[in-house]
Amino acid sequence: AQKITQTQPGMFVQEKEAVTLDCTYDTSDPSYGLFWYKQPSSGEMIFLIYQGSYDQQNATEGRYSLNFQKARKSANLVISASQLGDSAMYFCAMSKDSSYKLIFGSGTRLLVRP
Amino acid sequence: DAGVIQSPRHEVTEMGQEVTLRCKPISGHDYLFWYRQTMMRGLELLIYFNNNVPIDDSGMPEDRFSAKMPNASFSTLKIQPSEPRDSAVYFCASRLGTNTEAFFGQGTRLTVV
Repeated sequence: AQKITQTQPGMFVQEKEAVTLDCTYDTSDPSYGLFWYKQPSSGEMIFLIYQGSYDQQNATEGRYSLNFQKARKSANLVISASQLGDSAMYFCAMSKDSSYKLIFGSGTRLLVRP
Repeated sequence: DAGVIQSPRHEVTEMGQEVTLRCKPISGHDYLFWYRQTMMRGLELLIYFNNNVPIDDSGMPEDRFSAKMPNASFSTLKIQPSEPRDSAVYFCASRLGTNTEAFFGQGTRLTVV
């Protein structure tokens, strides 16, 4: 079975500070991909970052980085220097190479305080 | 490319009516996904296609829902008859290959009264 868990329904962070959003996953497949998406209040889904299961280094994209701990099956998103515009829902997702199905966690609502 | 295009953006219909949601994926993408988003259930994968062929429809809630992809540039999600509990935002997404990001449309907000 393929499962994604985000245990933090909501998070607060002070502007300019860093924040970590948790994501754990469950799969027995050796090859898979992990994704993070942002959904602002306007509703669109915006791709942020991708990590492949065989990637040796943690993925980074600007202020976003993915803390990938394969043995723990966790793929936490780290946002550095938070900005007010980072306030949004954040979704973790996974796709297995054996099925290519892309499934999402329940999301974390992040609120950045000025 | 204009991205994934969904229509309509908003749909209000009466219970019992047929509803058809439309999606145009990004040209060249070989995977297409339909999702439903509600507060209670989050983002649920309903069905996905590879090269126009339905691969997994296990997320389709019941027989009232059906999806087709007659060609690489068009897909539909039909609900017949619609019920108030079908009210949600329906997203279409497409991707190229495996383990690449999926690009989402703007979504269709469906309200069944």
